[in-house]
Amino acid sequence: EDQVTQSPEALRLQEGESSSLNCSYTVSGLRGLFWYRQDPGKGPEFLFTLYSAGEEKEKERLKATLTKKESFLHITAPKPEDSATYLCAVPAGNFNKFYFGSGTKLNVKP
Amino acid sequence: ETGVTQSPTHLIKTRGQQVTLRCSSQSGHNTVSWYQQALGQGPQFIFQYYREEENGRGNFPPRFSGLQFPNYSSELNVNALELDDSALYLCASSLVYQETQYFGPGTRLLVL
Repeated sequence: EDQVTQSPEALRLQEGESSSLNCSYTVSGLRGLFWYRQDPGKGPEFLFTLYSAGEEKEKERLKATLTKKESFLHITAPKPEDSATYLCAVPAGNFNKFYFGSGTKLNVKP
Repeated sequence: ETGVTQSPTHLIKTRGQQVTLRCSSQSGHNTVSWYQQALGQGPQFIFQYYREEENGRGNFPPRFSGLQFPNYSSELNVNALELDDSALYLCASSLVYQETQYFGPGTRLLVL
């Protein structure tokens, strides 16, 4: 069964303390892996799409990487405004149904 | 360029009632998907509409239904509301089939 798992569920960092979030998937025939940021009570905001193993994308303090079984979201020198829930999703099936992980809730303390 | 909008932002209903949620797609997007997000969980796919027809459905009962209009706006209807229907309902639009989905701010539904 297609599945997306994210870890850790929650992560507390001090400002400037770099770390990584993990997203592992078991979807066959990957057609892309999507990262979103979600602030409390709001809709997910698109960050990155990765399509093939070895691909990397960067945006400010965030860098996403992809292997054949998982993706990492690296956060370098985070700031309090990076605090949010980070979701990963993969499309599956004959149409663009997204399977989402449960997210990693990141809290960056000043 | 206008992003995805949803209305209302919040809604309170009682068990057994019916509710209609609305979504306006990002300009030019012809595919709309609806998701249900319970507190602390990732969004769960409800269904997708493409060119005014249902294009796929997740594991939700028939009392969840939808419509897409010629201007690509969409509605989600839920009949016979249950307490477990309390959640954030998200609408997402995309430009073409299987492209990146852009989400609206969501409608928070509380069923009492």
